[in-house]
Amino acid sequence: GAVVSQHPSWVICKSGTSVKIECRSLDFQATTMFWYRQFPKQSLMLMATSNEGSKATYEQGVEKDKFLINHASLTLSTLTVTSAHPEDSSFYICSAPLTVNSPLHFGNGTRLTVT
Amino acid sequence: DQQVKQNSPSLSVQEGRISILNCDYTNSMFDYFLWYKKYPAEGPTFLISISSIKDKNEDGRFTVFLNKSAKHLSLHIVPSQPGDSAVYFCAASVYGLTGGGNKLTFGTGTQLKVEL
Repeated sequence: GAVVSQHPSWVICKSGTSVKIECRSLDFQATTMFWYRQFPKQSLMLMATSNEGSKATYEQGVEKDKFLINHASLTLSTLTVTSAHPEDSSFYICSAPLTVNSPLHFGNGTRLTVT
Repeated sequence: DQQVKQNSPSLSVQEGRISILNCDYTNSMFDYFLWYKKYPAEGPTFLISISSIKDKNEDGRFTVFLNKSAKHLSLHIVPSQPGDSAVYFCAASVYGLTGGGNKLTFGTGTQLKVEL
């Protein structure tokens, strides 16, 4: 069964609005979660590392003020796309390791479409 | 700069035959490699991994081979089944960096189709 749950699975929003995506670890604690983005026919690109109780670490080129990450508990990380624009339309996927050095388990992703 | 490359966007194989998916990398710091399988509208599912201290790892029908000198790895699926039809992503990381092999760099994926 799924060990990482992501919600919503898809969302359509108007340009200029904000969208929040939730990522939950099921039956395990995730001090670290990872947010990826995938554009059509491209690979999954790491956007940021979400750290429980501290600030997220963003990859080069990812705007931290646009992609707000909150990891307030050991089982929940949220990604908020603020003032979304059509170019933010993408597939956003979160992931977490069961243990520190174990392979990542991914959520089912969120398809964001900004009109 | 694509550090992990999967040069074949698609592969078609007959059921029962071997599927070989290839992956090349450029960053010599990578020492941990993984293969993920992805169905449409789902997140990737972990398949198998290999550390750079090995050149082969086997798990059931899946075997991963690593050639460090060539910076090349491959995934073999034998025998291939229709349920194996999916997109396969190769991923790499620097295992000793920041908490293990969690910070993954992915390839662009290969769409495998196993035909009856």
